[in-house]
Amino acid sequence: AQKVTQAQTEISVVEKEDVTLDCVYETRDTTYYLFWYKQPPSGELVFLIRRNSFDEQNEISGRYSWNFQKSTSSFNFTITASQVVDSAVYFCALSEALLYGNKLVFGAGTILRVKS
Amino acid sequence: EAGVAQSPRYKIIEKRQSVAFWCNPISGHATLYWYQQILGQGPKLLIQFQNNGVVDDSQLPKDRFSAERLKGVDSTLKIQPAKLEDSAVYLCASEPGRLNEKLFFGSGTQLSVL
Repeated sequence: AQKVTQAQTEISVVEKEDVTLDCVYETRDTTYYLFWYKQPPSGELVFLIRRNSFDEQNEISGRYSWNFQKSTSSFNFTITASQVVDSAVYFCALSEALLYGNKLVFGAGTILRVKS
Repeated sequence: EAGVAQSPRYKIIEKRQSVAFWCNPISGHATLYWYQQILGQGPKLLIQFQNNGVVDDSQLPKDRFSAERLKGVDSTLKIQPAKLEDSAVYLCASEPGRLNEKLFFGSGTQLSVL
């Protein structure tokens, strides 16, 4: 069975600090996809990134970066120079490779609070 | 481009009552999902549709939950009768349905069962 663990329930940082959100996953599949979503107070889940299991290159998008390590089954997310607008719940998710769509299995989420 | 629309935004009912939620996915999206998000937890998949057919409903409590997607566009999720443990946010999501896509989520319906 697939499982995603986000061990950090809540993180508080001061604006401009860097912060890393951890994600560890379990799967028996050789082909799978990893995702990060952001859930602001409005409730809508906002897509941040999708990564397939064959692509271990780290990715950077502005202040966001992701570190994927198959050897440790981890897909960590770092926000550089955090801002108050980054305050939200962040979810890591895993999907098996399907013919149609993605069947996401979510972690419990990490609440990020950025204080000014 | 319009996003995934859901209604109502909030619903309060008493246990044993019935309730229905509505979802209008992004135009042209073939795949539609309903997720249940209990407070403090990540979303959990209830059912996945591909056009108007069910792909996966293995986690749907079929004794009380039902869902349909007539004509392969809008979808409704119904709970009858509701239990206290059904209190949650019900999220609808859609995606084009081709490989290697991402899910687009609606803002959800927050259900409180008293």
